Amino acid sequence: GIQVEQSPPDLILQEGANSTLRCNFSDSVNNLQWFHQNPWGQLINLFYIPSGTKQNGRLSATTVATERYSLLYISSSQTTDSGVYFCAVPSGSARQLTFGSGTQLTVLP
Amino acid sequence: DTEVTQTPKHLVMGMTNKKSLKCEQHMGHRAMYWYKQKAKKPPELMFVYSYEKLSINESVPSRFSPECPNSSLLNLHLHALQPEDSALYLCASSPGLIYEQYFGPGTRLTVT
Repeated sequence: GIQVEQSPPDLILQEGANSTLRCNFSDSVNNLQWFHQNPWGQLINLFYIPSGTKQNGRLSATTVATERYSLLYISSSQTTDSGVYFCAVPSGSARQLTFGSGTQLTVLP
Repeated sequence: DTEVTQTPKHLVMGMTNKKSLKCEQHMGHRAMYWYKQKAKKPPELMFVYSYEKLSINESVPSRFSPECPNSSLLNLHLHALQPEDSALYLCASSPGLIYEQYFGPGTRLTVT
C-alpha cells in the first residue's frame, strides 16, 4: 500500500515563529488532507488539497503531486496551534485514508 | 454544517460487558468510517460503509461488530473486549468514497 511520511516528528516553537511541516507519499494521489488533532483528540480539517496552493488565515498548504509531497506552513504561531498535525491520502478500493505518523507541534508562550 | 457527532465521549467497560458506540451525521453523506487510534499513533481504518453497505473490514476481530441502520447513523457494537482494545475510536463521513472526510470528536474507550 501507499506509504506516507511526515517530518519533522516533533517541533517546538516560540509564539510568533513560523514553521513548515512536510508530507511525502510513495505513490500518485488524487487528493490529500491535512488535519490538526487537538489535545482532546478531535481531528480538525485544515485543507483538502490534491494539488496547488491554498490559504486559510495564518495557515497555507501546497501540494506538488508530480513530486509526491505536500507542505503545511504555519505563520505567526500561537499556543492554540499546539497539537499533532497529520496528512492523509486515500488508498485502497474504498479510498480509505492512510495517515502519516504526524508532527507533534508545541508552541511555547 | 460539517458536524459528525459521537456518543458517548468516554466509556469504561469490563471485558465481559456489551456496549455500543454511536456516530451520527446529517450532511447527506453516503460513506461512513470507523477508525481506531492508539496513543501517539495515527488513526487506522477499521470499517467502511458506502450506501449503508459494508465495503471494507480491515481484518478487525469479531468482538467489534459494525452496523449502519440508515444513511445518517453508524454504530459499533463491542463485546468481550480486551484491555489492548483501549483506544480513541473515531467516526468519519464523506459525501462519497473519493471525497473529503470529516471526523467526529471520538469516543475514548478504556477496557478494564
